[in-house]
Amino acid sequence: AQTVTQSQPEMSVQEAETVTLSCTYDTSESDYYLFWYKQPPSRQMILVIRQEAYKQQNATENRFSVNFQKAAKSFSLKISDSQLGDAAMYFCAYRTVNSGYALNFGKGTSLLVTP
Amino acid sequence: NAGVTQTPKFRVLKTGQSMTLLCAQDMNHEYMYWYRQDPGMGLRLIHYSVGEGTTAKGEVPDGYNVSRLKKQNFLLGLESAAPSQTSVYFCATLYRGLAGDAGYEQYFGPGTRLTVT
Repeated sequence: AQTVTQSQPEMSVQEAETVTLSCTYDTSESDYYLFWYKQPPSRQMILVIRQEAYKQQNATENRFSVNFQKAAKSFSLKISDSQLGDAAMYFCAYRTVNSGYALNFGKGTSLLVTP
Repeated sequence: NAGVTQTPKFRVLKTGQSMTLLCAQDMNHEYMYWYRQDPGMGLRLIHYSVGEGTTAKGEVPDGYNVSRLKKQNFLLGLESAAPSQTSVYFCATLYRGLAGDAGYEQYFGPGTRLTVT
């Protein structure tokens, strides 16, 4: 079975600090993509960042960056300079060509940002 | 440009009742998906479609049927609702961008909260 594991059900960070959310995945495919999605209380799924597995360079998007360790099948998300608006559920997911490019999600990490 | 819309936003059903959830998109995307999200879980794939007239099963298809008669619509049906189908249902579409597979991004609808009593 192909799975995504997010071992931290909840995390807390102070405003302006840095936090890292962990994710490990298991797939037998060689060609895949990894994603982090944010889900605020509005329920809307928002793409935060994506990583192509064939790229060694870690993806970055403003305050968001990833640490992609392909051999370890690890894909962590670092949020720098945390803001109150970052509070949300964060889901790690991967996608292969199987199932019509559908996403396989982890169970999520709830991020609390304190002033 | 409405993007991906879902109808209804909320619904309460009694066990054994039937209903259809509608997902509509105005972006001309080929691929469409239905996911469900349960408390403490990520989204799980129910069914998907790679084009008009085609559908396929995902990870948790039991108790659901789907149809894609028109490219812009993807319908999810519950023939005989069960309490285990209480969930939030998300529709998504896939955009095949110009950057090859790297441009494939899923666009999500706002979700439908379904409660089966």
